[in-house]
Amino acid sequence: AQKITQTQPGMFVQEKEAVTLDCTYDTSDQSYGLFWYKQPSSGEMIFLIYQGSYDEQNATEGRYSLNFQKARKSANLVISASQLGDSAMYFCAMRESTGGTSYGKLTFGQGTILTVHP
Amino acid sequence: ETGVTQTPRHLVMGMTNKKSLKCEQHLGHNAMYWYKQSAKKPLELMFVYNFKEQTENNSVPSRFSPECPNSSHLFLHLHTLQPEDSALYLCASSQDGDSTDTQYFGPGTRLTVL
Repeated sequence: AQKITQTQPGMFVQEKEAVTLDCTYDTSDQSYGLFWYKQPSSGEMIFLIYQGSYDEQNATEGRYSLNFQKARKSANLVISASQLGDSAMYFCAMRESTGGTSYGKLTFGQGTILTVHP
Repeated sequence: ETGVTQTPRHLVMGMTNKKSLKCEQHLGHNAMYWYKQSAKKPLELMFVYNFKEQTENNSVPSRFSPECPNSSHLFLHLHTLQPEDSALYLCASSQDGDSTDTQYFGPGTRLTVL
């Protein structure tokens, strides 16, 4: 079974509107971290937001927020007030703490291509 | 320079060539990573170095040889590659032990093997 599932290969949104990118994960760990990265066509992976499994509040970073539903094992990214520059590939990733040490080993999803229309 | 830098940004090589990819992090981190990103596949972790010691080798073929001389520099030495090794190679760094252990990536080297 895939550890990180992003079911939306592509998403379209109108400029200034909000969009939700879906991510579900699978782990038996109690302690884990969830990340979202943005990858523009240039290739660089840009860190957007982090959610720890023990964090009770949903993470927010500017226009990005993470809708964390632990029981459903979902960690959806919400981008508010979309901008043309938000057009990119978005990856959800998970870090597990297997065996007490993880050395930051990340598992990535397949990604979602977001296109923002003017 | 800030963040994580990678050179070269683009590389074209023949199957018999030997080349090296370089990564440098200016974040004071103690862990560095190599990832491979092929078309239509998720990012694949290749190697992890923590405090200059290799802690992970994700069943990577021996034609890829990593080197980490210090906690700021990471190299990936390439020799006798195959066309299927063409991909974007991303380097990342993190502070192991940090509460989030967030990995910060460089811009990548886009490799084409002819």
